[in-house]
Parts: sequence; C-alpha cells; structure tokens
Amino acid sequence: RKEVEQDPGPFNVPEGATVAFNCTYSNSASQSFFWYRQDCRKEPKLLMSVYSSGNEDGRFTAQLNRASQYISLLIRDSKLSDSATYLCVVNIGGGSQGNLIFGKGTKLSVKP
Amino acid sequence: DAGITQSPRHKVTETGTPVTLRCHQTENHRYMYWYRQDPGHGLRLIHYSYGVKDTDKGEVSDGYSVSRSKTEDFLLTLESATSSQTSVYFCAISESLSEGSPLHFGNGTRLTVT
Repeated sequence: RKEVEQDPGPFNVPEGATVAFNCTYSNSASQSFFWYRQDCRKEPKLLMSVYSSGNEDGRFTAQLNRASQYISLLIRDSKLSDSATYLCVVNIGGGSQGNLIFGKGTKLSVKP
Repeated sequence: DAGITQSPRHKVTETGTPVTLRCHQTENHRYMYWYRQDPGHGLRLIHYSYGVKDTDKGEVSDGYSVSRSKTEDFLLTLESATSSQTSVYFCAISESLSEGSPLHFGNGTRLTVT
C-alpha cells in the first residue's frame, strides 16, 4: 500500500459547485498534514495545514480522520481560479522534514 | 512570497555531462531541500540540509550530490547526468524543523537529459 494516496482526477466541476477530495495515508504514526496547491508548471504552495479538530479558511475546509487514516479538503462555491492540482502531504514523524511524503495530486478543473 | 531563486530555470544537457543546479534564498532559513517531480510520482526528496555543511540523503539520492557552503545557497550536482534524471527540480526552504512548519518552494528547474 502506497504511503499517501489520492484520486488523481481530473475533477471537472462547474463554477459554484462544491467539491471534495480525500487522501489516505498508511503510516498511523503520521504527525502532521497539509494541503498544497500547484498550478500548471508552477511550484507547490501551501494551501492549509490540517488540524485534528478540522479547520476552515474561507471557502476551504480541511478535515482529519485519524481512525480511518484520511484527510479531506472541501472547496465550496468553486471559482475558475481554483483550477489546479491539490497535493496531500503527510509528515510521518521522526523530527525531520525529510519525512514529508507527498501524494501525486488531484487535478481540479473548474469550468464556466 | 518567500525569497527563493533557482537557476537555471531550464537546461538541456547530454548524457554523461555534469550539471549543477543552484538554489539561493534570502530568508535566512536554516533548512533547505531538493525535490524532483515526475509524472506519476509525488514530489520526492533528493537531499536536504539542516545547516551550513550539514546535509543528508533523501529518498532518491543516488546519482546526486549537494553542497551548502553558505546559509543562502544550496547546490545540487549531477556528476554524470542520465536520461532518468530528466525531471523538474524544486528547491524548498523551511524556517524550523517542527513538523508543522511549511515548506516554501522555488519556481523550479526543468532539466532535460538527452
């Protein structure tokens, strides 16, 4: 089983739609979790960290389910500018940034 | 945006030639990283540095070496480039080693080995 798995998509949704991505991780000792956004031919950028209690930033909501070992990202009222690839990132612990594991990404395309 | 500059942005080279990629930061962050990104794979760590002259191997370090003689510069060297090293290379920095500390990426170097 791969360490971090994401549905590659693409998710094609109309403007204004709500879309959700899931990401599963295999290492139960994983300590911290992130969603990064990557535009085509650009560098990844941190979208949000994922906290145990769940957290929200505007139209974006991140959830963590430790029992089932997955994190999710919900985007409400999708905008054209949300079109990008969303990377799930898990820190499997050990006190080093060398333990960050990146998913392959989920591609989102928001259409007019 | 974090002050990270990668050079060159694009490079085409022949198999067997040495190649050095440079990452320069103006944030005075202690930790620096080199990743590669390939279709069908997540970002994979090549090497990272936790201080001047302090480096360690990542998941895919074979065929690569690094050096960090100054806080602001982290060099990635392919001693003898191979076609399997054709990739997009990203440098990243982070302020601390805490697990919640995010990475900030440079804008990447596209390397083609013919």
